[in-house]
Amino acid sequence: GENVGLHLPTLSVQEGDNSIINCAYSNSASDYFIWYKQESGKGPQFIIDIRSNMDKRQGQRVTVLLNKTVKHLSLQIAATQPGDSAVYFCAENIGGTSYGKLTFGQGTILTVHP
Amino acid sequence: ETGVTQTPRHLVMGMTNKKSLKCEQHLGHNAMYWYKQSAKKPLELMFVYNFKEQTENNSVPSRFSPECPNSSHLFLHLHTLQPEDSALYLCASSGEMNTEAFFGQGTRLTVV
Repeated sequence: GENVGLHLPTLSVQEGDNSIINCAYSNSASDYFIWYKQESGKGPQFIIDIRSNMDKRQGQRVTVLLNKTVKHLSLQIAATQPGDSAVYFCAENIGGTSYGKLTFGQGTILTVHP
Repeated sequence: ETGVTQTPRHLVMGMTNKKSLKCEQHLGHNAMYWYKQSAKKPLELMFVYNFKEQTENNSVPSRFSPECPNSSHLFLHLHTLQPEDSALYLCASSGEMNTEAFFGQGTRLTVV
């Protein structure tokens, strides 16, 4: 099957810096992408999503960018805080209206140093 | 608190035991899912249920048996598991109106 994968397995930043986490996907037919955050001992937590008819979507301190030409997705976190330290997963909806039917990337470990 | 509750949080079982994982969602969602998260591997979709009907079995071994008695509850019955089945088992739910899926905290399963 087609996979969603990540370029970098780890990212270490200083508090206050901006963080960028990248993701590549291979299914050009995918139309819905999601970023999840998973802290130690917890389940994945929704951060932000984007549909394929958009290039950019902003949330609170987070921005997701979608480049369909090169099948690339990124998550930008502004003014990164220690509480942002977690594993970040991109996911691709493969189930149409079954929005929980997802293919996940391997994850990027973000470590924020005070 | 995501509105999806899983019990137990931790489970240790022998290879000849029978145990069950439970998931309950309080979000009014119509779809529920089981995922497996092993170390150093991406989350893997196992089962999908829509309105209590199983719509997806992602080639999961028969020693894992799901049950969905209603749209709010989902079980995963475990029987004669192998040590390689040790993992974090995550339940999720989603609705027709909202697009994102909500995950529970997971059950950390260890097979000895």
